[in-house]
Amino acid sequence: EPEVTQTPSHQVTQMGQEVILRCVPISNHLYFYWYRQILGQKVEFLVSFYNNEISEKSEIFDDQFSVERPDGSNFTLKIRSTKLEDSAMYFCATTSADTDTQYFGPGTRLTVL
Amino acid sequence: GENVEQHPSTLSVQEGDSAVIKCTYSDSASNYFPWYKQELGKRPQLIIDIRSNVGEKKDQRIAVTLNKTAKHFSLHITETQPEDSAVYFCAAPGDSSYKLIFGSGTRLLVRP
Repeated sequence: EPEVTQTPSHQVTQMGQEVILRCVPISNHLYFYWYRQILGQKVEFLVSFYNNEISEKSEIFDDQFSVERPDGSNFTLKIRSTKLEDSAMYFCATTSADTDTQYFGPGTRLTVL
Repeated sequence: GENVEQHPSTLSVQEGDSAVIKCTYSDSASNYFPWYKQELGKRPQLIIDIRSNVGEKKDQRIAVTLNKTAKHFSLHITETQPEDSAVYFCAAPGDSSYKLIFGSGTRLLVRP
């Protein structure tokens, strides 16, 4: 069964550094999402992306965040200048055009020191 | 505003007993309600979902009920097993179809 994949599985960075988290969606999926989950808390929506543009974003998704699909396969989340509070698990999710079901990737654990 | 409330936050049951987790949502236009199971350190996995044109859906030991008038939906797990132990999240689309709003999660412990 096809799955969403994410790299890296764990990223450790210094405060103020830029990080790029990568996601490979399921091949026929057209809608892409990023969520984050701070340890022990609920999953929070960050941004949705369709047809090469942002569909919706949350208050968390400020100027330090950006998303793109640079090569038609990878879907990336960039954090320009990381803060301690960005430490969390970041999940990519994708959906096809004919269903509401969102399939989640395995996540990237981001640790900001 | 968009909000999904989930109760209880923790639930401990004896193996073989039933478990019920309840959620309420705020947006009356919501029409899709998934339930995810998350084991420690793993991704959320969809276990069952329901759409607003039905009131109940069942898949083996798992069932979900939806009351659109009251804006709440529930997950029912029967004949619980230790491997059902995990955190369960409900979700709803909120005020657009481009995101899911998650509940705060229920940590289910099934005691052998």
